Amino acid sequence: QMQLQESGPGLVKPSETLSLTCTVSGGSIGTSAYYWGWIRQPPGKGLEWIGSIYFTESTYQNPSLESRLTMLVDKSKNQFSLTLSSVTAADTAFYYCARLRGTYAYWYFDLWGRGTLVTVSS
Amino acid sequence: QSVLTQPPSVSGAPGQRVTISCTGSSSDIGAIYDIHWYQQLPGTAPKLLIYANNNRPSGVPDRFSASTSGTSASLAITGLQAEDEGDYYCQSYDSRLSGSVFGGGTKLTVL
Repeated sequence: QMQLQESGPGLVKPSETLSLTCTVSGGSIGTSAYYWGWIRQPPGKGLEWIGSIYFTESTYQNPSLESRLTMLVDKSKNQFSLTLSSVTAADTAFYYCARLRGTYAYWYFDLWGRGTLVTVSS
Repeated sequence: QSVLTQPPSVSGAPGQRVTISCTGSSSDIGAIYDIHWYQQLPGTAPKLLIYANNNRPSGVPDRFSASTSGTSASLAITGLQAEDEGDYYCQSYDSRLSGSVFGGGTKLTVL
């Protein structure tokens, strides 16, 4: 059974870059069956879609984050990653990686990682 | 502010039926994009509850159902149980943003 696990620093300084990796186990990230994505949730608040990526490295990004966001797929390691530059306290959140099913615009997130808390603070 | 609007909270007694609304616009629900629902129990990651308007993943009880009408969607939970207490989110696609959008979430309290 496929599982997703986020990893990365739990603390990032303001103006620096946040980098997270999602490791996929129990299946291949290189399948055409799924997209892969990131969602975040500030503590005590709601969910925000960050972006989605296909194994071909086609990306779909939240316009509000696009200028600071990079997403990549590493098929050799069965991982996908997120980097968010010039972070501020507003980027403090639980970050979840997820598997997406369905065709473009009809996606849904059918499998989630446990999430990792990233705090932006000096 | 979320593109999809949900009530902040709903409550019900065990055994009762509750509904959670999700109101969108002509660029998301009204544009015939699918609505999906997620359940987030305290301290856990969200879990897919309903996909493509009214389909339950394997393992989700049939106490959970959903419907859409125009620019609104609704999640219904019948036979309310204490273990249902948590946050519920709707999700769709917004053509103006060219991306996925979530509702602000609804906190369900079982009295």
